Amino acid sequence: DQQVKQNSPSLSVQEGRISILNCDYTNSMFDYFLWYKKYPAEGPTFLISISSIKDKNEDGRFTVFLNKSAKHLSLHIVPSQPGDSAVYFCAASLTSGTYKYIFGTGTRLKVLA
Amino acid sequence: NAGVTQTPKFQVLKTGQSMTLQCAQDMNHEYMSWYRQDPGMGLRLIHYSVGAGITDQGEVPNGYNVSRSTTEDFPLRLLSAAPSQTSVYFCASNPGTVFYEQYFGPGTRLTVT
Repeated sequence: DQQVKQNSPSLSVQEGRISILNCDYTNSMFDYFLWYKKYPAEGPTFLISISSIKDKNEDGRFTVFLNKSAKHLSLHIVPSQPGDSAVYFCAASLTSGTYKYIFGTGTRLKVLA
Repeated sequence: NAGVTQTPKFQVLKTGQSMTLQCAQDMNHEYMSWYRQDPGMGLRLIHYSVGAGITDQGEVPNGYNVSRSTTEDFPLRLLSAAPSQTSVYFCASNPGTVFYEQYFGPGTRLTVT
């Protein structure tokens, strides 16, 4: 039972355009969400997070949107750059009584120069 | 700070052999965890620890043991390796609440033949 889903395994975007990566979750108790970026042969690195009390969080070129009623979050990258080419994972957690992070399956983003 | 370190980087085992994957962090983080990454499966939590002497199971704990005798170290033991344990293993740490992002090590690529 995949509680966090990234239904697009890959995405290609032209440099300078917007990249939108999507993530859906099934457990309505999740209340904290994170995005990680992973380059080949490296560990994931944290990108941006959002608490369930917010619907948007912005950090430079990266913005995460949360739609709790739809159990959906998205990561927007504007403008996309070739260095953004990587695999992006979303993750979700519960803040009460557990420290488990559940990750999605990842989306491979390719930014074309 | 070295951050999160993992050894070895690569390992080949025969079915039935045992080994320990090492993980250490020098950030005095309370929370540490082990994940495995398989194609199309994302990152799956194996075991985690919320502090020295405290461990708990994640999503896919079978075939693995952990212990946490110090804050710094969190080794993962494969008791009797199976081909299904061929994967890339990541160790991660964070300061101790779910509101902090995790810091990942560079990974160990394990092949079981």
